[in-house]
Amino acid sequence: KQEVTQIPAALSVPEGENLVLNCSFTDSAIYNLQWFRQDPGKGLTSLLLIQSSQREQTSGRLNASLDKSSGRSTLYIAASQPGDSATYLCAGRGGSEKLVFGKGTKLTVNP
Amino acid sequence: NAGVMQNPRHLVRRRGQEARLRCSPMKGHSHVYWYRQLPEEGLKFMVYLQKENIIDESGMPKERFSAEFPKEGPSILRIQQVVRGDSAAYFCASSPGGEPQHFGDGTRLSIL
Repeated sequence: KQEVTQIPAALSVPEGENLVLNCSFTDSAIYNLQWFRQDPGKGLTSLLLIQSSQREQTSGRLNASLDKSSGRSTLYIAASQPGDSATYLCAGRGGSEKLVFGKGTKLTVNP
Repeated sequence: NAGVMQNPRHLVRRRGQEARLRCSPMKGHSHVYWYRQLPEEGLKFMVYLQKENIIDESGMPKERFSAEFPKEGPSILRIQQVVRGDSAAYFCASSPGGEPQHFGDGTRLSIL
């Protein structure tokens, strides 16, 4: 059974700082891993999706990596901005189409 | 191109009543997924449907909960005889099959 853990649960940084969010999963037979952003009272916005055959994906200031052997993924945010403040969720997909989510990291970027 | 539409955004029910949550997938999407987010918890998968078929309901409580995705109209998640523990945010996602799943803004269900 796949379990996904995210550390830390909350993170507060000053504007401009580079930061890393961590995600670990128990079942290395992962089909893909996805990072989402959730704003308060809103749904989920997909940020990056990494297939099991890939090592990383980049979009603007965001870079996500996937290491299946160690069961880890990281989301790197460069030059953080107050608008990046949100909860970041990672989700792994196994053989079925259901996503298994971590509890998220709540990020606060202070001006 | 409208995204995944969920309604109502907020729903208040008294214990013992029924709650009906609706989800209209993105245009061209025939796969619908329901997830539940309890307070301070991550999203948990409930059910995966295609038109007129339940594909995977392994995350659905065995009693009081049901879901459908008819040939015409939105997908419906139905909760009968609601209890306080049903209070949560319910999210619907859709896809054309596989990735990515696109999420709606959710329905916040509160039980009095």
